[in-house]
Amino acid sequence: EADIYQTPRYLVIGTGKKITLECSQTMGHDKMYWYQQDPGMELHLIHYSYGVNSTEKGDLSSESTVSRIRTEHFPLTLESARPSHTSQYLCASSGPGDRVAGELFFGEGSRLTVL
Amino acid sequence: KNQVEQSPQSLIILEGKNCTLQCNYTVSPFSNLRWYKQDTGRGPVSLTIMTFSENTKSNGRYTATLDADTKQSSLHITASQLSDSASYICVVSDRGSTLGRLYFGRGTQLTVWP
Repeated sequence: EADIYQTPRYLVIGTGKKITLECSQTMGHDKMYWYQQDPGMELHLIHYSYGVNSTEKGDLSSESTVSRIRTEHFPLTLESARPSHTSQYLCASSGPGDRVAGELFFGEGSRLTVL
Repeated sequence: KNQVEQSPQSLIILEGKNCTLQCNYTVSPFSNLRWYKQDTGRGPVSLTIMTFSENTKSNGRYTATLDADTKQSSLHITASQLSDSASYICVVSDRGSTLGRLYFGRGTQLTVWP
C-alpha cells in the first residue's frame, strides 16, 4: 500500500480565503505531482517536481502555487480561493527509474469546495 | 493532439459476470499504457502496465491486452465482484514526454450489482 498522505480530505471555505493542501510521502520518491480531477473528466496535471527546490507548472493553468523544500513534502497553496477552484485535488509521487514516468502512487485526494 | 479515449463511459453488470473496457489512444511515440482503478473517494491505484512488446498481461481477475498497431487496449474483468465497482482509468505515456506528463482517459465507471 502506498504511503502518501493528503490533508485535509475535505475542505469547505469562503471566497477569498487562503488555503494550503498538504501532501507527504514516506517512500523517498524524488518526483511528486498535483492533479486536478472533476467528475467525469480526466486528471489534469497542475504542478510537478523532480526533487527539492524543483517545481514546474503542468498542462492545466492554475492559480495555485507549490513548494518543495523537503523531499517528502509537496504542499499546494491558493492565496485567494474562488468558487472556480472547487474540485478534487490529487497528489501523487513516483520513484527513481527511467526517464518516462513510472507507476504513480496517489494520495486519497483533497476535495475542496469554495462557497 | 495526443488523446486517450475510453468506452463505455459507464457500465452496469451483475455480480459474477465478465466485462471488457476499451481504451483507444493516439499518443505517439508510445512508451507504455497503464490501467488504474479508482474507488469512489480514493486515489487511483495501478492495476497493470503494458509496454510496446506486450500483448497480454494478467493480474488476478484482471487481464489487459494491447494492440500497438491499432493503438487499442482492453481491460477484461472476469467473475466480477461488488468490490470491482470503481472508475477504471487508462493512462498512456509517450517516450518523448517530460517526466510526469501523462495522457489520461476520462475513465469507465463500472457498477457491479448483487
